[in-house]
Amino acid sequence: DAMVIQNPRYQVTQFGKPVTLSCSQTLNHNVMYWYQQKSSQAPKLLFHYYDKDFNNEADTPDNFQSRRPNTSFCFLDIRSPGLGDAAMYLCATSTTLGTSGGAQYFGPGTRLTVT
Amino acid sequence: GENVEQHPSTLSVQEGDSAVIKCTYSDSASNYFPWYKQELGKRPQLIIDIRSNVGEKKDQRIAVTLNKTAKHFSLHITETQPEDSAVYFCAALARRGVPTFGRGTSLIVHP
Repeated sequence: DAMVIQNPRYQVTQFGKPVTLSCSQTLNHNVMYWYQQKSSQAPKLLFHYYDKDFNNEADTPDNFQSRRPNTSFCFLDIRSPGLGDAAMYLCATSTTLGTSGGAQYFGPGTRLTVT
Repeated sequence: GENVEQHPSTLSVQEGDSAVIKCTYSDSASNYFPWYKQELGKRPQLIIDIRSNVGEKKDQRIAVTLNKTAKHFSLHITETQPEDSAVYFCAALARRGVPTFGRGTSLIVHP
């Protein structure tokens, strides 16, 4: 089945220790997104890629970086995690951008704990 | 940029009752409005969507209505069941094509 896969599902890291979360998709979608979701809140967009074009949200901290080496894979790097970065990180894909729009397909998420 | 307001934040109903969740948006250029359901600990999943050339769309017990003039859209769930209990998010696709989410509504259906 075509899907969005995230690894690992649970990640524990130490304060200040770099961590990388990964996302892969078999949908062949052009757009990949990274969201941060804290308890009882809406997903907060960190950045997205349209093909290789990277788009950073204005309020995304510099501590968060992303890579998309090919269509299928996208990575979220947190350079120096703080306690406030503990959250669920959701990867999503869609066929396209623009006001013609399209549904997003979400991965199962990675729950990040910072100790 | 786009701003999406969603109400109520919590909705508690008895099984069999109807539930209505309302969203307003600010960007008149938005023309795609999806609704996502997120069960506890699971991923958001699209349950229904509507485009601005349509006023209403229905899928079994779920319907969405859109009023472009007033810039609001609503999710209607009829004959609610306990398995409908979840957090529901509305979204509007803004001019530059990135969805803006509402804050979410926690729907609780009591058996």
